[in-house]
Amino acid sequence: QKEVEQNSGPLSVPEGAIASLNCTYSDRGSQSFFWYRQYSGKSPELIMSIYSNGDKEDGRFTAQLNKASQYVSLLIRDSQPSDSATYLCAVLNQAGTALIFGKGTTLSVSS
Amino acid sequence: GAVVSQHPSRVICKSGTSVKIECRSLDFQATTMFWYRQFPKKSLMLMATSNEGSKATYEQGVEKDKFLINHASLTLSTLTVTSAHPEDSSFYICSAAGNSYGYTFGSGTRLTVV
Repeated sequence: QKEVEQNSGPLSVPEGAIASLNCTYSDRGSQSFFWYRQYSGKSPELIMSIYSNGDKEDGRFTAQLNKASQYVSLLIRDSQPSDSATYLCAVLNQAGTALIFGKGTTLSVSS
Repeated sequence: GAVVSQHPSRVICKSGTSVKIECRSLDFQATTMFWYRQFPKKSLMLMATSNEGSKATYEQGVEKDKFLINHASLTLSTLTVTSAHPEDSSFYICSAAGNSYGYTFGSGTRLTVV
């Protein structure tokens, strides 16, 4: 069973701080990685996708991928209370047939 | 951007009845659709993967006779929960793949079986 692991949190940061979310995965053949944000009672929405080792920046969000360590992270700069949500790490399996989700990390940004 | 429409958004049904949930890709052709279930404070659990015109592939532990999936066209997949019971109450979410936007989620269906 391929797995995606995340700390469930909650991760609490003050407004304006950097929030760091981490994820590890077990399928070494995976090539596509995604971060989703999910508000309570809502469907996940895609924040970032990353496919190559290194950093990928989009606005206040930076995704980092290290395939050798099987590790992917998401940094949120200048955190806002509206960023408070559950962040789901998702990994596309090697066959490309299924997106496997971690349990999610709950982020709380206090004003 | 890619849009996936899922309905109903919320349904309450009596135990023993069947409920159908629809998932439509509105502006792209979805070669593959995924059905997930999410219990409160839990992560998304993949139930099955469906490809247009072929039988769905179910994850281990998911009863294919209970959760009927039909992917009759490149824009429509349906999940029917047959003979629903209270333990089937959950948040069901579809996701469609098949375009440059990657995986797009529907808005989810909150099923409550009473």
